Amino acid sequence: QVQLVESGGGLVQPGKSLRLSCTASGFSFRSYGLHWVRQSPGKGLNWVAVISYNENEKYYAGSVKGRFVISRDNSQSTLFLEMSSLTIEDTGVYYCAREEGDGYNSVRYWGRGTLVTVSS
Amino acid sequence: DVAMTQSPLSLPVTLGQSASISCRSSQSLVHSTDGNTYLNWYHQRPGQSPRRLIYKVSNRDSGVPDRFSGSGSGTDFTLEISRVEADDVGTFYCMQGARWPPTFGQGTEVEIK
Repeated sequence: QVQLVESGGGLVQPGKSLRLSCTASGFSFRSYGLHWVRQSPGKGLNWVAVISYNENEKYYAGSVKGRFVISRDNSQSTLFLEMSSLTIEDTGVYYCAREEGDGYNSVRYWGRGTLVTVSS
Repeated sequence: DVAMTQSPLSLPVTLGQSASISCRSSQSLVHSTDGNTYLNWYHQRPGQSPRRLIYKVSNRDSGVPDRFSGSGSGTDFTLEISRVEADDVGTFYCMQGARWPPTFGQGTEVEIK
């Protein structure tokens, strides 16, 4: 079955950087677009970034554009999110999510998330 | 960005009764390329990841009970839950994928009375 396992979260100071990873299994990794979605503590869901199956297209939410970089290693079935110039507002659980191929940005499968806490 | 507005934000329901959640978008969710409407519904139980229930307005994902149904068009959408069960507690989100960037509604928290 489809499995997505995020890692790399933790406590980081404002202005610093952090790299998140998402290791996938149970499906043909190189065939699907992948997203990062975050959820601030006690709040709703916010889309962060997406990368196409072949890495040719990448899009970002305005709040992270220029600070976050999404990438993937299809040979290792791993998705990454490189986050820099972190602010307190970036605190939250970061979910890796896979599209289903049944529509634009139609995320179906989600990992359990990794918690990022930005605090001094 | 397309604003997604859900109502109500809190929904106390009685076991066995029906519930209805509204989701309105600030722009049409009909995609200009293929004419499909990209509106999904997700359910997030407390402490868990979201689970997709409905895609493209009214299509149920495999394994989702037929108690859940989606409807709507253009900018106005509804998720109906019939015969509410204890397992339905949590937060329901609508999400649009038709226009960049994808956006979610604020969430509707369903609790059992």
